[in-house]
Amino acid sequence: NAGVTQTPKFQVLKTGQSMTLQCAQDMNHEYMSWYRQDPGMGLRLIHYSVGAGITDQGEVPNGYNVSRSTTEDFPLRLLSAAPSQTSVYFCASSSSTGSHEQYFGPGTRLTVT
Amino acid sequence: AQSVSQHNHHVILSEAASLELGCNYSYGGTVNLFWYVQYPGQHLQLLLKYFSGDPLVKGIKGFEAEFIKSKFSFNLRKPSVQWSDTAEYFCAVSTGAGSYQLTFGKGTKLSVIP
Repeated sequence: NAGVTQTPKFQVLKTGQSMTLQCAQDMNHEYMSWYRQDPGMGLRLIHYSVGAGITDQGEVPNGYNVSRSTTEDFPLRLLSAAPSQTSVYFCASSSSTGSHEQYFGPGTRLTVT
Repeated sequence: AQSVSQHNHHVILSEAASLELGCNYSYGGTVNLFWYVQYPGQHLQLLLKYFSGDPLVKGIKGFEAEFIKSKFSFNLRKPSVQWSDTAEYFCAVSTGAGSYQLTFGKGTKLSVIP
């Protein structure tokens, strides 16, 4: 199992550009989520999904879109990048059974200039 | 909405010293509690978790945590730290059965001096 994978690892964008951060998991987990990590702020939930076709907003959803067309993939779209979106982005997945432990991907470091 | 407070922003210890990192949460109902660790340049890994039962939970690498419901606390402990424990530690909480949303504390950076 590869677990949770994220691409790219690093990205630099100019203000106003759009891009998609990719996230995939091969554990057949129902639940997937996106967090952003900023210094001194911990991790904050952006969007989450409890299954294919179902998404919902987390704590800081503005400026981001998500969709969940398959169980495996949960891309995060930045519609018009802003410097305030400079952050490290983590994707996580969890099973609906058992311990609900969330497994995290390696992260994408995004810089918006 | 629930919140999580971690008391220390940065803790510096010498090797073999004992560690206790504080974590308090604000939520009056059933909670699931987690400690995650993030080694430099790496992603988050689960150290330990509490769902129910024995409030003293043992995790990986010699870490343990105690859930004290009356104090809304879930402090992380290790009797003797090593240089390899240098990392950032995050406390997190989810509320209610079947809840997957995690609320994280702001993290505590631990530096262990050889």
